[in-house]
Amino acid sequence: QVQLVQSGAEVKKPGASVKVSCKASGYTFTRYYMHWVRQAPGQGLEWMGIIKSSGDSTSYAQKFQGRVTMTRDTSTNTVYMELSSLRSEDTAVYYCARGNPVDIWGQGTMVTVSS
Amino acid sequence: QAVVTQEPSLTVSPGGTVTLTCGSSTGAVTSGHYPYWFQQKPGQAPRTLIYDTSNKHSWTPARFSGSLLGGKGALTLSGAQPEDEAEYYCLLSYSGARPVFGGGTKLTVL
Repeated sequence: QVQLVQSGAEVKKPGASVKVSCKASGYTFTRYYMHWVRQAPGQGLEWMGIIKSSGDSTSYAQKFQGRVTMTRDTSTNTVYMELSSLRSEDTAVYYCARGNPVDIWGQGTMVTVSS
Repeated sequence: QAVVTQEPSLTVSPGGTVTLTCGSSTGAVTSGHYPYWFQQKPGQAPRTLIYDTSNKHSWTPARFSGSLLGGKGALTLSGAQPEDEAEYYCLLSYSGARPVFGGGTKLTVL
């Protein structure tokens, strides 16, 4: 069945970077885009960006421009989201979601930024 | 960036009908915003219910439907069940810009 399995929880210090993975299975990986969405504790959903099926095209929310990088590895059917210069406000659950249209979501990865 | 607005909270009786709406600060919501609706229960990942205004996935219960209503995107729940108690988020796409989520509607079935 179609599945997105994300990497485990991370704890990072302010100023560090984090790289979250999202491993896809059950479908032709290169045929679908992948979105990244985050959710701070007790808050709503926030769209971060998208990486397109070819893997050479990305689009990021303006808020994250310059700090986020989305990549994909077609040999392992895995998409990555790296966020740099972390601050406490980046503490959130990070989700990948297959699209378009958006259908399946990963289980989420908790990233905690704390000194 | 556009602001997407949703009712903060709504209550529906079991078996009742409720409509959640999704507005845009830029004007009327149209099919060109490709409205999405997501359901999220505490401690769980979101689940996509509706895409492109009114299209359902195979797992979307028939009691949920999407439409455009009065210049807004709308999600109607007909015959509410206790398990429908959740947070609901809409997402709108903007030409030349990035998609934006609404703030969410907490739906209580009571």
